Amino acid sequence: DVQMSQSPPFLSASVGDRVTITCRASQSIATYLNWYQQKSGKAPNLLIHDASNLESGVPSRFIGSGSGTDFILTINNLQPEDVGSYHCQQSFSVPLSFGGGTRVQIK
Amino acid sequence: EVQLVQSGAEVKKPGDSLKISCEASGYTFSDYCIGWVRQLPGKGLEWMGVIYFRDSDIRYSPSFRGQVTLSADKSVNTAYLQWSALKASDTAMYYCARGRGHSFGNSKWIFDHWGQGTLVTVSS
Repeated sequence: DVQMSQSPPFLSASVGDRVTITCRASQSIATYLNWYQQKSGKAPNLLIHDASNLESGVPSRFIGSGSGTDFILTINNLQPEDVGSYHCQQSFSVPLSFGGGTRVQIK
Repeated sequence: EVQLVQSGAEVKKPGDSLKISCEASGYTFSDYCIGWVRQLPGKGLEWMGVIYFRDSDIRYSPSFRGQVTLSADKSVNTAYLQWSALKASDTAMYYCARGRGHSFGNSKWIFDHWGQGTLVTVSS
């Protein structure tokens, strides 16, 4: 089974900052990696699929990169509406698995 | 517009049975799968399983196999998640989500639309 880990678990940044969230897989998953945003009290929302493909309607300040075991979600020009939790998910093999999540807050 | 509408919050006692639903609309039901995801209070997301409607294939996470049952009624575009005997540790938010791919062999397991969630509380 593929295990996923994320870091940091929590980050606080200022409006306009660039923030990066890292996701690591326990084995190579090629680019079968998806990112979701979850705002407080809401369901997750797909941001990026297959490591770097921006989902339709998602702002271009969200950028995904990486392959193999190491992946990064970058949020450029952080906005107040970006507050929430971010989850990575591997879609390489079942059982599917998610990272532990990263909570993003505005300073 | 793609929509997944889940049934309402439930409060149950340990040992009770429960079946929650996820009604899909706005797309061809059998062209996609439905996955279920658990979120314990204040925790991350856990994949429970996935159901494919074209061939009725169901895949469970080992962590949930034997603990829950997935099913679907194609005539009403609805997927279900059920328990035969709830435990207090089942208290969580449960989400259904549409997954890309109509069969296990061509599934991409990208969950592009989600239901609003069903909160299940199990307490004596």
